[in-house]
Formats: sequence, C-alpha cells, structure tokens
Amino acid sequence: EAQVTQNPRYLITVTGKKLTVTCSQNMNHEYMSWYRQDPGLGLRQIYYSMNVEVTDKGDVPEGYKVSRKEKRNFPLILESPSPNQTSLYFCASIQRGGQETQYFGPGTRLLVL
Amino acid sequence: AQSVTQLDSHVSVSEGTPVLLRCNYSSSYSPSLFWYVQHPNKGLQLLLKYTSAATLVKGINGFEAEFKKSETSFHLTKPSAHMRDAAEYFCVVSYNTDKLIFGTGTRLQVFP
Repeated sequence: EAQVTQNPRYLITVTGKKLTVTCSQNMNHEYMSWYRQDPGLGLRQIYYSMNVEVTDKGDVPEGYKVSRKEKRNFPLILESPSPNQTSLYFCASIQRGGQETQYFGPGTRLLVL
Repeated sequence: AQSVTQLDSHVSVSEGTPVLLRCNYSSSYSPSLFWYVQHPNKGLQLLLKYTSAATLVKGINGFEAEFKKSETSFHLTKPSAHMRDAAEYFCVVSYNTDKLIFGTGTRLQVFP
C-alpha cells in the first residue's frame, strides 16, 4: 500500500530539548516536504527536498532542519524547540514532473512546554 | 505573489441543503487546483483536483468543483450535505511546481 508514515504521532517535550520527527514514503518519490498547520493559517511549507541530498527552505524554515540521505526518508529536526513550534506537522511526497497527487502522512501533533 | 483565498472561514448548513465553499486563486499562469478535506483529528484527504482537463471536476463523496478562469475561482459544491461532511476544507493551488500553497481553510458545520 502506498503510504507516507510519520513518527511519533504525538509528542510533548520541553523547551530546548532536541527532537526528530521521522517521515518515510514507500513510493520512490523524489519530492518530499514538511508542512505545519496552525489554526486560521492553513498549512505552510517548512522545508522541501527535490531529491537525495537536495533540500531547500520553504516559507517558515526558522528553527527547523532537515536531511535527505536516502530517497525514502526525510526527517524534520528541531534542534532547540520553543513553544511557538507547538503545531501539527505533516510530511508529504510526490513524484516530480507530473501532475500526481501529493500523499500526506497522518500528522504529528507536537506540544512544546 | 502566488496565493489562494478561501472567502469564508466558517460555513453552516442544514443536512440535505446545498454546500458552497468558495475559493479564489491568484492568476500567474495555469494552476493546478485541489480541494482537501480534514476531519477532526485526522489527516488530509484529497477530494478532487483540476489539472487543465475538464473544467468541471467531480470528486469523492458527491463533491464537485468548477474551474472558472475568468473569475479565477474554484468553488467546491455539493447538492445535499450530510452530517459526515462536517470537517475543515482546504483549497490548494500549485503553479507548475511541486509546492502546494494552502488556503486558510473553511470549517463546514452541518446541522440536523
């Protein structure tokens, strides 16, 4: 089954404690991205990757890092989380160059105290 | 700047009545347009997409949307609302890239 998985699904942490949210897709897609969802703001892109070892900033990259060492994985790293990063995070993937549907992960709800 | 605007943050309808969720996009060049639905505490599900084929697009669960270039609109409609349609709906645009630009969402309430 084609899918995007994220872990953990729920996370409560404290300010400054580094964390990583994993994202994995099984469709051999080149393009992956991370979004955050906040009430009244819709989803905003944090970072994206067009292929292995190719990443770039989206609209709200501050406070986040990503890496793309393998095609299937695209982890989101918060080196020093702050309360304003409390949000719902979605990972997505798509095969570039077509008009294919983007596949979204189930979401990770993060609370930073 | 490329953008998408959902004109209503909340829409309330009675069960069995028509649904209209409005969406306008900025017109740089030919966009791809999508509607996604998010039920409470759930992920995002694609309802339908427009990618320069037929202007009237039929999606899942009885929803459809019409691409109107002259009005730069892509409104979502359904003839008869069900209680299970209560959710948040996002209009999304993509301009020849893989990046999706989301609207701020419309919360649909359906009353019995």
